[in-house]
Amino acid sequence: EAQVTQNPRYLITVTGKKLTVTCSQNMNHEYMSWYRQDPGLGLRQIYYSMNVEVTDKGDVPEGYKVSRKEKRNFPLILESPSPNQTSLYFCASSPFGGDYGYTFGSGTRLTVV
Amino acid sequence: KQEVTQIPAALSVPEGENLVLNCSFTDSAIYNLQWFRQDPGKGLTSLLLIQSSQREQTSGRLNASLDKSSGRSTLYIAASQPGDSATYLCAVPNQAGTALIFGKGTTLSVSS
Repeated sequence: EAQVTQNPRYLITVTGKKLTVTCSQNMNHEYMSWYRQDPGLGLRQIYYSMNVEVTDKGDVPEGYKVSRKEKRNFPLILESPSPNQTSLYFCASSPFGGDYGYTFGSGTRLTVV
Repeated sequence: KQEVTQIPAALSVPEGENLVLNCSFTDSAIYNLQWFRQDPGKGLTSLLLIQSSQREQTSGRLNASLDKSSGRSTLYIAASQPGDSATYLCAVPNQAGTALIFGKGTTLSVSS
């Protein structure tokens, strides 16, 4: 089944403790991206990648890192999480971005205390 | 800068009604428009993708139309069911094709 898989689905952590949210797609898509969703603010892009080893900032990149060493994986790294990063996170992929539709993962609910 | 607006923000209807959800966008130079469904706290499920050259797309009881010149799309749901209760989001790619711009969504509640 074609899908975007995120792990974990739920995570509670403490301020400052580094964490990684994994994202993997099995559709050989070139483009991958991370979004966060917050009440009243909607979905906002954190980072995106147009290809392996090519990443760029979205609208809200502060406090996040990403890497794209392989086409299928695009992990989101929070090196020193803070409570304002408590949110629902989504990974998405698309064949090339732009002209094609996007497939989203099931989401990761992160709580930073 | 592209902006996407969805009206109404919330909608409650009895089971069996036909209904229309609205989406408008400010820049008509879009590649496509995608409608998603989101259940509370869950992921985004793609419902329909309309390319810029198309006028509408249909999937089961769902029909989405696109009018680029007026900057509008509608999602028509026929014979609504309680299982249709969810938040419906529309989104368009930005000019560079590097991000999706989302509306804030319409939260639909269908009562039995």
